[in-house]
Amino acid sequence: QSALTQPASVSGSPGQSITISCTGTSSDIGGYFLVSWYQQHPGTAPKLMIYDVSNRPSGVSNRFSGSKSGNTASLTISGLQAEDEAEYYCTSKRSGDTYVFGSGTKVTVL
Amino acid sequence: QVQLQESGPGLLMPSETLSLTCTVSGGSISGHYWGWVRQPPGKGLEWIAYIYYSGKSNYDPSLISRVAMSVDTSRNQFSLELSSVTAADTAVYFCARYLSSGLDLWGQGILVHVSS
Repeated sequence: QSALTQPASVSGSPGQSITISCTGTSSDIGGYFLVSWYQQHPGTAPKLMIYDVSNRPSGVSNRFSGSKSGNTASLTISGLQAEDEAEYYCTSKRSGDTYVFGSGTKVTVL
Repeated sequence: QVQLQESGPGLLMPSETLSLTCTVSGGSISGHYWGWVRQPPGKGLEWIAYIYYSGKSNYDPSLISRVAMSVDTSRNQFSLELSSVTAADTAVYFCARYLSSGLDLWGQGILVHVSS
């Protein structure tokens, strides 16, 4: 099934805020408040940063926030830090009670 | 703390069946949804399937004819089977636990290589 659409790369300077978009359809993002975001550093398992659109798991910095409008979800990282440099993936529940990942976004801290 | 560990063969030949097990330690498998995700080398994450501890499961439509999950509450394990593998199934396979719609706890991943 088609992946959700994310920009290939986003960059920012330390201290800045960046936003990563994740675009789907009414059959996934637009139809459910069940979007999650993951951070993955090379060679490691993904880490859950946001679930159910805007909830942060225990231990995740409040510099990370999520939102959704229509068929597009967004992850905002404020106060960008060097350790935020990683690959980020969105995922959403989809009709048929399945899930689909986004294509991934490489975040670079300049 | 709860930990997940994948186990299974690292090398398969085309047309064989991939069988992976995820062992949950430090906590109970009951009451949670569990999932499998894979990542081909150098590529993005792909959702495979989820299962509830009761056995209710669902699979990615592109894999549904070849994939099956099962759960063994007595051993605190859940498993993935993927039949008729090809080189396209070469990937790191992760098992994980659901926290609502998100996967909050992951295994370290296991690399499965399909090659003749």
